[in-house]
Amino acid sequence: GQNIDQPTEMTATEGAIVQINCTYQTSGFNGLFWYQQHAGEAPTFLSYNVLDGLEEKGRFSSFLSRSKGYSYLLLKELQMKDSASYLCAVRVFSGGYNKLIFGAGTRLAVHP
Amino acid sequence: EAGVTQFPSHSVIEKGQTVTLRCDPISGHDNLYWYRRVMGKEIKFLLHFVKESKQDESGMPNNRFLAERTGGTYSTLKVQPAELEDSGVYFCASSHFNGPSGEQYFGPGTRLTVT
Repeated sequence: GQNIDQPTEMTATEGAIVQINCTYQTSGFNGLFWYQQHAGEAPTFLSYNVLDGLEEKGRFSSFLSRSKGYSYLLLKELQMKDSASYLCAVRVFSGGYNKLIFGAGTRLAVHP
Repeated sequence: EAGVTQFPSHSVIEKGQTVTLRCDPISGHDNLYWYRRVMGKEIKFLLHFVKESKQDESGMPNNRFLAERTGGTYSTLKVQPAELEDSGVYFCASSHFNGPSGEQYFGPGTRLTVT
């Protein structure tokens, strides 16, 4: 089956760095996405990895190791507004089309 | 550019009633997806349209759920009759491509409560 694991909750201090891990066991892997979701709002796209390595986008970076079925999202210089849920989603290719398989999300609380 | 919109934002209905959710994708996006998040669980794929055609409906829970996308623009998801376990947040997403660069844009969701 398809399985994605990420921690349920994390806390961090404003200005610090936090790493949110995601491990997956899927078939038909065709990329990994990270989304941010504030309560009651739409998930918004943060990053995409399809090849091994690090993708950097401002304060946010995402890493992928396909051989290990592992990704992480790194958030630097944390701000209070970064308090949100972070969703790891694997795109799988099946039947000629792609679909997203989501993890349950990691709730990050940033405190002063 | 307007984002993905969903209507209503909240719906409270009784068991056995019918509810219809609507999704308006980003203009020009051929791909439209429905997802559902049940309390405490992960977001789960329901189905995928390319224009007006259903490409993949492997995630639809049962035949009480009917999705349509007439004309390849907006989509509706009807639940009839609704059951208690149908409560959750229903998300719609759209994308331009289904290939490697096909990032999906999500709507804010419809929170459905069945009592």
